[in-house]
Amino acid sequence: DVKVTQSSRYLVKRTGEKVFLECVQDMDHENMFWYRQDPGLGLRLIYFSYDVKMKEKGDIPEGYSVSREKKERFSLILESASTNQTSMYLCASRSPRGEVQPQHFGDGTRLSIL
Amino acid sequence: GQNIDQPTEMTATEGAIVQINCTYQTSGFNGLFWYQQHAGEAPTFLSYNVLDGLEEKGRFSSFLSRSKGYSYLLLKELQMKDSASYLCAVMDSNYQLIWGAGTKLIIKP
Repeated sequence: DVKVTQSSRYLVKRTGEKVFLECVQDMDHENMFWYRQDPGLGLRLIYFSYDVKMKEKGDIPEGYSVSREKKERFSLILESASTNQTSMYLCASRSPRGEVQPQHFGDGTRLSIL
Repeated sequence: GQNIDQPTEMTATEGAIVQINCTYQTSGFNGLFWYQQHAGEAPTFLSYNVLDGLEEKGRFSSFLSRSKGYSYLLLKELQMKDSASYLCAVMDSNYQLIWGAGTKLIIKP
């Protein structure tokens, strides 16, 4: 079974802080994704990565950056946290682009910005 | 634009059958996925359809009509543990998933 691990289930930070969310997968997947999920809006893609050191903007990248230094790890960075970034953050991984395969999700990080 | 529509909420009775519909308009189509998400948890993969027709997996089945831009998830012999949100997602021409907002299914005894 695919295992996607997010570093924290719950996190509370203050406005203006730099926040790091970590995600590790154990299936050697090339593709990794960061989403946020808010009530009534569904999953919205923040950033994704096709391979090490590669990154692509998703639908809502403003206020976020990412890092993919190793294949198994994909980090989401909130450069200067704001209250509108309070949300559930979900990391996912998948086998290569061009294959019709499902994404597998971590347990999620519920982030509160005070 | 790209759009996935599914009902916001549905209610059904334990032991019964429920059908959750999903309609879509996307830039290309490479497959349609269904996920289950219990409250406070991550989505888990249920099934996917690439070709028209019905795919059956135990109590769950998923149907696809590409010409109509339509899919449904059929849940039989409902159990209380089936209370969850069900997410429909379409893989577009770039192999990216476009997500619906989800259908919250409430099961009553």
